[in-house]
Amino acid sequence: DAGVTQSPTHLIKTRGQHVTLRCSPISGHKSVSWYQQVLGQGPQFIFQYYEKEERGRGNFPDRFSARQFPNYSSELNVNALLLGDSALYLCASSAGNPGETQYFGPGTRLLVL
Amino acid sequence: QKEVEQNSGPLSVPEGAIASLNCTYSDRGSQSFFWYRQYSGKSPELIMFIYSNGDKEDGRFTAQLNKASQYVSLLIRDSQPSDSATYLCAVNIRGGSYIPTFGRGTSLIVHP
Repeated sequence: DAGVTQSPTHLIKTRGQHVTLRCSPISGHKSVSWYQQVLGQGPQFIFQYYEKEERGRGNFPDRFSARQFPNYSSELNVNALLLGDSALYLCASSAGNPGETQYFGPGTRLLVL
Repeated sequence: QKEVEQNSGPLSVPEGAIASLNCTYSDRGSQSFFWYRQYSGKSPELIMFIYSNGDKEDGRFTAQLNKASQYVSLLIRDSQPSDSATYLCAVNIRGGSYIPTFGRGTSLIVHP
Protein backbone atom coordinates (compact mmCIF):
# COMPACT_ATOMS: atom_id res chain seq x y z
CA ASP A 1 0.00 0.00 0.00
CA ALA A 2 1.18 3.52 -0.74
CA GLY A 3 2.03 5.70 2.20
CA VAL A 4 1.19 9.35 2.58
CA THR A 5 2.05 11.32 -0.55
CA GLN A 6 2.67 15.04 -0.83
CA SER A 7 3.25 17.37 -3.74
CA PRO A 8 5.26 19.21 -4.72
CA THR A 9 8.46 18.09 -2.98
CA HIS A 10 10.13 21.46 -3.29
CA LEU A 11 8.84 24.92 -4.04
CA ILE A 12 10.37 28.37 -4.37
CA LYS A 13 8.13 31.41 -4.10
CA THR A 14 8.58 35.13 -3.56
CA ARG A 15 7.10 37.27 -0.82
CA GLY A 16 3.44 38.08 -1.31
CA GLN A 17 2.71 35.10 -3.50
CA HIS A 18 0.27 32.30 -2.77
CA VAL A 19 1.04 28.59 -2.49
CA THR A 20 -1.04 25.40 -2.48
CA LEU A 21 0.35 22.18 -1.04
CA ARG A 22 -1.32 18.82 -1.56
CA CYS A 23 -1.53 15.62 0.44
CA SER A 24 -3.06 12.19 -0.06
CA PRO A 25 -3.47 10.06 3.06
CA ILE A 26 -2.90 6.36 3.48
CA SER A 27 -5.74 4.35 1.97
CA GLY A 28 -8.49 3.94 4.55
CA HIS A 29 -7.36 6.88 6.67
CA LYS A 30 -9.91 9.65 7.09
CA SER A 31 -7.88 12.23 8.99
CA VAL A 32 -5.19 14.56 7.68
CA SER A 33 -3.08 16.91 9.77
CA TRP A 34 -0.74 19.64 8.57
CA TYR A 35 2.42 20.70 10.37
CA GLN A 36 5.09 23.32 9.81
CA GLN A 37 8.64 22.48 10.78
CA VAL A 38 11.41 25.04 10.80
CA LEU A 39 15.04 24.09 11.22
CA GLY A 40 15.90 22.97 14.72
CA GLN A 41 12.31 22.75 15.94
CA GLY A 42 9.72 20.04 16.19
CA PRO A 43 6.67 20.03 13.92
CA GLN A 44 4.15 22.74 14.80
CA PHE A 45 0.49 21.87 14.34
CA ILE A 46 -1.43 23.92 11.76
CA PHE A 47 -4.70 22.08 10.99
CA GLN A 48 -6.42 18.77 11.35
CA TYR A 49 -9.29 17.58 9.18
CA TYR A 50 -11.51 14.57 9.67
CA GLU A 51 -14.30 13.56 7.32
CA LYS A 52 -13.94 16.93 5.52
CA GLU A 53 -14.51 18.91 8.71
CA GLU A 54 -11.90 20.98 10.52
CA ARG A 55 -11.24 19.32 13.83
CA GLY A 56 -8.40 21.47 15.09
CA ARG A 57 -6.46 24.59 14.31
CA GLY A 58 -3.09 25.66 15.62
CA ASN A 59 -1.81 29.12 16.35
CA PHE A 60 -1.27 30.27 12.79
CA PRO A 61 -2.55 33.44 11.07
CA ASP A 62 -5.57 33.50 8.80
CA ARG A 63 -3.25 33.49 5.80
CA PHE A 64 -3.16 29.74 6.34
CA SER A 65 -6.20 27.74 5.27
CA ALA A 66 -6.92 24.16 4.37
CA ARG A 67 -9.62 21.85 3.18
CA GLN A 68 -10.27 18.14 2.80
CA PHE A 69 -11.94 16.56 -0.20
CA PRO A 70 -14.43 13.66 -0.38
CA ASN A 71 -11.56 11.28 -1.22
CA TYR A 72 -9.84 12.46 2.02
CA SER A 73 -7.00 14.20 0.22
CA SER A 74 -6.22 17.68 1.46
CA GLU A 75 -4.83 21.02 0.41
CA LEU A 76 -3.01 23.59 2.51
CA ASN A 77 -3.11 27.14 1.19
CA VAL A 78 -0.91 29.98 2.31
CA ASN A 79 -1.57 33.53 1.11
CA ALA A 80 0.66 36.59 1.15
CA LEU A 81 3.80 34.58 1.78
CA LEU A 82 6.38 35.92 4.19
CA LEU A 83 10.05 35.03 4.45
CA GLY A 84 9.24 33.35 7.77
CA ASP A 85 6.94 30.88 6.02
CA SER A 86 10.01 29.10 4.67
CA ALA A 87 9.85 25.66 6.24
CA LEU A 88 9.19 21.98 5.73
CA TYR A 89 5.43 21.41 5.52
CA LEU A 90 4.41 17.98 6.69
CA CYS A 91 1.18 16.14 6.18
CA ALA A 92 0.24 13.32 8.54
CA SER A 93 -2.47 10.72 8.09
CA SER A 94 -4.40 8.70 10.64
CA ALA A 95 -7.64 6.76 10.85
CA GLY A 96 -9.04 9.54 13.02
CA ASN A 97 -9.39 8.10 16.51
CA PRO A 98 -8.09 9.93 19.61
CA GLY A 99 -4.53 9.21 20.58
CA GLU A 100 -3.65 7.03 17.65
CA THR A 101 -0.51 7.08 15.57
CA GLN A 102 0.02 9.61 12.82
CA TYR A 103 2.08 8.71 9.76
CA PHE A 104 3.96 11.43 7.94
CA GLY A 105 4.42 12.06 4.26
CA PRO A 106 7.77 13.10 2.78
CA GLY A 107 6.98 16.80 3.19
CA THR A 108 7.10 19.84 0.95
CA ARG A 109 10.07 22.13 1.39
CA LEU A 110 9.01 25.72 0.79
CA LEU A 111 11.49 28.51 0.30
CA VAL A 112 10.21 32.08 0.24
CA LEU A 113 12.58 34.66 -1.24
CA GLN B 1 6.85 25.60 30.83
CA LYS B 2 6.57 24.00 27.41
CA GLU B 3 4.09 21.17 27.09
CA VAL B 4 6.66 18.67 25.76
CA GLU B 5 10.34 19.18 26.53
CA GLN B 6 13.41 17.48 25.17
CA ASN B 7 17.10 18.29 25.51
CA SER B 8 18.17 19.41 22.05
CA GLY B 9 21.59 17.75 22.41
CA PRO B 10 23.55 16.69 20.59
CA LEU B 11 23.88 13.43 22.47
CA SER B 12 27.03 11.69 21.37
CA VAL B 13 27.56 7.98 22.05
CA PRO B 14 30.08 5.43 20.74
CA GLU B 15 28.98 2.65 18.44
CA GLY B 16 27.63 -0.29 20.41
CA ALA B 17 26.65 1.76 23.45
CA ILE B 18 23.16 2.42 24.83
CA ALA B 19 21.68 5.77 23.89
CA SER B 20 19.12 7.19 26.32
CA LEU B 21 16.76 9.90 25.14
CA ASN B 22 14.37 11.63 27.52
CA CYS B 23 11.18 13.62 27.23
CA THR B 24 9.03 15.30 29.88
CA TYR B 25 5.48 16.53 29.48
CA SER B 26 3.30 18.92 31.42
CA ASP B 27 -0.20 17.43 31.41
CA ARG B 28 -0.95 14.53 33.76
CA GLY B 29 -3.96 13.66 31.60
CA SER B 30 -1.78 12.71 28.64
CA GLN B 31 -2.38 9.16 27.47
CA SER B 32 -0.56 8.53 24.20
CA PHE B 33 3.16 8.86 23.66
CA PHE B 34 5.19 8.48 20.49
CA TRP B 35 8.80 8.46 19.40
CA TYR B 36 9.71 9.46 15.86
CA ARG B 37 13.08 9.42 14.16
CA GLN B 38 13.93 12.15 11.66
CA TYR B 39 16.96 12.06 9.44
CA SER B 40 18.29 15.38 8.20
CA GLY B 41 16.12 16.71 5.39
CA LYS B 42 13.56 13.91 5.74
CA SER B 43 10.18 13.58 7.39
CA PRO B 44 9.59 11.94 10.78
CA GLU B 45 9.11 8.18 10.84
CA LEU B 46 7.44 6.37 13.71
CA ILE B 47 9.67 4.21 15.90
CA MET B 48 7.37 3.32 18.77
CA PHE B 49 4.25 4.28 20.64
CA ILE B 50 3.41 3.55 24.27
CA TYR B 51 0.22 4.00 26.22
CA SER B 52 0.81 2.21 29.56
CA ASN B 53 3.30 2.71 32.36
CA GLY B 54 6.37 0.55 32.13
CA ASP B 55 8.59 -0.65 29.34
CA LYS B 56 7.82 -1.59 25.77
CA GLU B 57 10.48 -3.27 23.69
CA ASP B 58 10.81 -3.55 19.93
CA GLY B 59 14.11 -4.91 18.70
CA ARG B 60 16.92 -2.62 19.82
CA PHE B 61 14.45 0.03 21.00
CA THR B 62 12.78 0.27 24.41
CA ALA B 63 10.28 2.95 25.34
CA GLN B 64 9.77 3.64 29.03
CA LEU B 65 6.79 5.53 30.40
CA ASN B 66 6.38 6.90 33.92
CA LYS B 67 3.12 8.82 34.18
CA ALA B 68 3.62 9.71 37.85
CA SER B 69 6.85 11.50 37.02
CA GLN B 70 5.57 12.65 33.64
CA TYR B 71 8.41 11.42 31.53
CA VAL B 72 8.90 9.07 28.65
CA SER B 73 12.24 7.82 27.45
CA LEU B 74 13.68 5.90 24.53
CA LEU B 75 16.63 3.54 24.91
CA ILE B 76 18.55 2.40 21.86
CA ARG B 77 20.74 -0.62 22.52
CA ASP B 78 23.80 -1.48 20.43
CA SER B 79 23.72 1.98 18.83
CA GLN B 80 24.81 2.13 15.20
CA PRO B 81 26.04 5.09 13.13
CA SER B 82 22.82 4.72 11.12
CA ASP B 83 20.90 5.64 14.29
CA SER B 84 22.36 9.16 14.04
CA ALA B 85 19.29 11.35 13.63
CA THR B 86 16.95 13.65 15.53
CA TYR B 87 14.49 11.86 17.79
CA LEU B 88 11.15 13.55 18.32
CA CYS B 89 8.90 12.89 21.29
CA ALA B 90 5.17 13.46 20.70
CA VAL B 91 2.45 13.45 23.33
CA ASN B 92 -1.32 13.64 23.02
CA ILE B 93 -1.77 16.33 25.63
CA ARG B 94 -4.98 15.81 27.58
CA GLY B 95 -6.78 12.54 27.37
CA GLY B 96 -8.86 12.15 24.24
CA SER B 97 -6.85 14.63 22.22
CA TYR B 98 -6.59 13.91 18.51
CA ILE B 99 -3.55 16.09 18.03
CA PRO B 100 -0.06 15.25 19.31
CA THR B 101 2.26 17.95 20.57
CA PHE B 102 5.88 17.53 19.55
CA GLY B 103 9.04 18.33 21.42
CA ARG B 104 11.86 20.07 19.59
CA GLY B 105 13.79 16.82 19.25
CA THR B 106 17.12 15.49 20.49
CA SER B 107 19.99 15.13 18.05
CA LEU B 108 21.80 11.80 18.45
CA ILE B 109 25.27 11.19 17.04
CA VAL B 110 26.66 7.67 17.10
CA HIS B 111 30.36 7.73 16.32
CA PRO B 112 32.33 4.67 15.14
